Amino acid sequence: GAGVSQSPSNKVTEKGKDVELRCDPISGHTALYWYRQSLGQGLEFLIYFQGNSAPDKSGLPSDRFSAERTGGSVSTLTIQRTQQEDSAVYLCASSLMVWGRPGGYTFGSGTRLTVV
Amino acid sequence: QQPVQSPQAVILREGEDAVINCSSSKALYSVHWYRQKHGEAPVFLMILLKGGEQKGHDKISASFNEKKQQSSLYLTASQLSYSGTYFCGTLNYGGSQGNLIFGKGTKLSVKP
Repeated sequence: GAGVSQSPSNKVTEKGKDVELRCDPISGHTALYWYRQSLGQGLEFLIYFQGNSAPDKSGLPSDRFSAERTGGSVSTLTIQRTQQEDSAVYLCASSLMVWGRPGGYTFGSGTRLTVV
Repeated sequence: QQPVQSPQAVILREGEDAVINCSSSKALYSVHWYRQKHGEAPVFLMILLKGGEQKGHDKISASFNEKKQQSSLYLTASQLSYSGTYFCGTLNYGGSQGNLIFGKGTKLSVKP
C-alpha cells in the first residue's frame, strides 16, 4: 500500500483481556518495527523484524507481549492479560534496508490502547 | 544507550532560529531525525551516515559529528508549521543493526 496501515485505530479493553494489534507495512519494505509511546513520552522500542531473520525481541517488556510477521508482510502484536500500564499508543513502522542498515522509517498512525 | 536530546522544549517566534542537539555515550553509525505533530505519527526528516556530514531539507538542516558522537538539527527562519516534537533516533556501532533507539524528544513551539 501507499503507507503503513494499522488497525484498529483505537482499542478499549478490560484489564486481563487479550488484544491483537495489526500492522500492514509498505510493500517491499523488508524491515518492520513496533514501538510504544505513552502519553507525552518518547518512543520505546518493542520488536524488530527483518526479512526471514529471527526477530529482535529485546524490547518486549514482559512475556505477555508477543509478535509475529507472516509471509514477510503483515505483523500482529499480541498482548495477553492486559494491564493498565499497557495503555499507550502502539506504533508500527517499516523501512527499506540500505547496506544492512535501516533507511528512513515510515510510521503508521498507531493504535491507541486503553486498558480499563 | 538512549541518546540524550537538548533542550527538552523551546519556544520561538516565527522567523527565529533553533538548534536541537542529540548526543550518545556510544559510537554512532547513523542518526535519524523525525518530527511528530500533536496526535500524529512521527515523520522522517533526514538520515545522517557519515561523520561531519551535513544535510538540508528546506530550511531544516542537520550535522553529524562522529567524533563527538552527536548530531544537531538546525531550524532557520522558523515557520508555524515547524511546531511539533523532534526526535533523534540512533544506531550505534556494536549494537543492533536494525532498530533505532530514540531520544525523549524536543518540543518546539513556534508562535506568530
